Amino acid sequence: GENVEQHPSTLSVQEGDSAVIKCTYSDSASNYFPWYKQELGKGPQLIIDIRSNVGEKKDQRIAVTLNKTAKHFSLHITETQPEDSAVYFCAASPRYSTLTFGKGTMLLVSP
Amino acid sequence: SQTIHQWPATLVQPVGSPLSLECTVEGTSNPNLYWYRQAAGRGLQLLFYSVGIGQISSEVPQNLSASRPQDRQFILSSKKLLLSDSGFYLCAWRPAGNTIYFGEGSWLTVV
Repeated sequence: GENVEQHPSTLSVQEGDSAVIKCTYSDSASNYFPWYKQELGKGPQLIIDIRSNVGEKKDQRIAVTLNKTAKHFSLHITETQPEDSAVYFCAASPRYSTLTFGKGTMLLVSP
Repeated sequence: SQTIHQWPATLVQPVGSPLSLECTVEGTSNPNLYWYRQAAGRGLQLLFYSVGIGQISSEVPQNLSASRPQDRQFILSSKKLLLSDSGFYLCAWRPAGNTIYFGEGSWLTVV
C-alpha cells in the first residue's frame, strides 16, 4: 500500500518568512495529493490539492508543487502570518482509493 | 450545501462504559464515510470506512465498531471503553472523487 513521509515534524519561522513542507510517497499509482490545515481542537481543513496531471498549483499565499518522477510534493507558504500557525498534513491516494496521510508538521509563526 | 455534523464534541467516560459517537452528512447521497482517530502523536489513523449502508471495512483490530444504519449516518461504538481509547475522533466523508472532508471532531477522555 501507499506510504507517505512528511518533513519536518516541526517548523518555526518568523512572520513574513516563507515556509516549505515536503512529502514523499511510495505508490506510483497515486494521482491525488491534498494538503490539510488543522488548528488546535478542530478537524483538518482542506487548503489546497493537486492532481498528477499538473506540476504546480497556487492559491494566493499557498502553492503546491508535484514531482511525479521523484515521487515528492511540497507545500509552500509565502509571507507567513501568525494565523498560519497550525499542524499541516499531506496525503496521497490512487484513484478512488482511501487517502494515506503523513504524520503532520507543526508550523509555528512568531510575530 | 454539503455539510457534516459530528457529536458529541466532548465526552468523558469511565473505563468499561459504552460509547456512541454519531456523524451525519447533508446535501449529498451515497457518500463514502470514514472514522479516524488522532492520538497525541498527531497522526491520523483510519479506523473504519463505509461505501454504503451496512457496508463497513475495518482498518485496524480494536475495541471499537462502526455501523451505517442510513445512507448519511455513521456511528462509532464500543461496548466497554478502555483507557487507550482516549483520543480525538474524526468523522469524514467523500462526496465524489478523491477529496475527503472532515467534521469538527469529538474529544473522548476515558477515566
